[in-house]
Amino acid sequence: DGGITQSPKYLFRKEGQNVTLSCEQNLNHDAMYWYRQDPGQGLRLIYYSQIVNDFQKGDIAEGYSVSREKKESFPLTVTSAQKNPTAFYLCASSIDAEYYGYTFGSGTRLTVV
Amino acid sequence: DQQVKQNSPSLSVQEGRISILNCDYTNSMFDYFLWYKKYPAEGPTFLISISSIKDKNEDGRFTVFLNKSAKHLSLHIVPSQPGDSAVYFCAARGGADGLTFGKGTHLIIQP
Repeated sequence: DGGITQSPKYLFRKEGQNVTLSCEQNLNHDAMYWYRQDPGQGLRLIYYSQIVNDFQKGDIAEGYSVSREKKESFPLTVTSAQKNPTAFYLCASSIDAEYYGYTFGSGTRLTVV
Repeated sequence: DQQVKQNSPSLSVQEGRISILNCDYTNSMFDYFLWYKKYPAEGPTFLISISSIKDKNEDGRFTVFLNKSAKHLSLHIVPSQPGDSAVYFCAARGGADGLTFGKGTHLIIQP
């Protein structure tokens, strides 16, 4: 079954620590995206990648970093520089940057303790 | 500045009646619009879409209407069912950096 896998589903981090959220897809999609969801804020774009070894900042990239070394994988690192990291993080992919439909993963809930 | 606006954070509708979710946009470069449905602690799933060259698209109980002159689209669900209770996101496409999402509307279907 093709899809996007995000892991873990729940993640707890101590203040000052970096943490990496995993996103893997087996859909052979070129484009991948990271969104953050906060109550009352909808989905806000953190980073996106249209092709391997290339990625661009979204609207709220500060305090985050990504890599795209493989087509299937687009991990997101939440660094200690991110002031309010507690949120629900969603990874998505699409066939290419011009295709309009996204497939989303099931999300990772990150909580800073 | 929000380019995609869903001004109703929540909407309560009786089972069997019509649910109408609204979405306004400001960017005239948007050329494709989508609706996603999201349950708690899950990722959004694609529901229905419409190109800017059309004014209506229908898929079963779901119909999306687009009024380009008013920069307004709406999602109609009829008849509404309990499983329709979810958050609905309106999204628009018009640039290279992907979809722009609204803040979502929480639809509650009451028995």
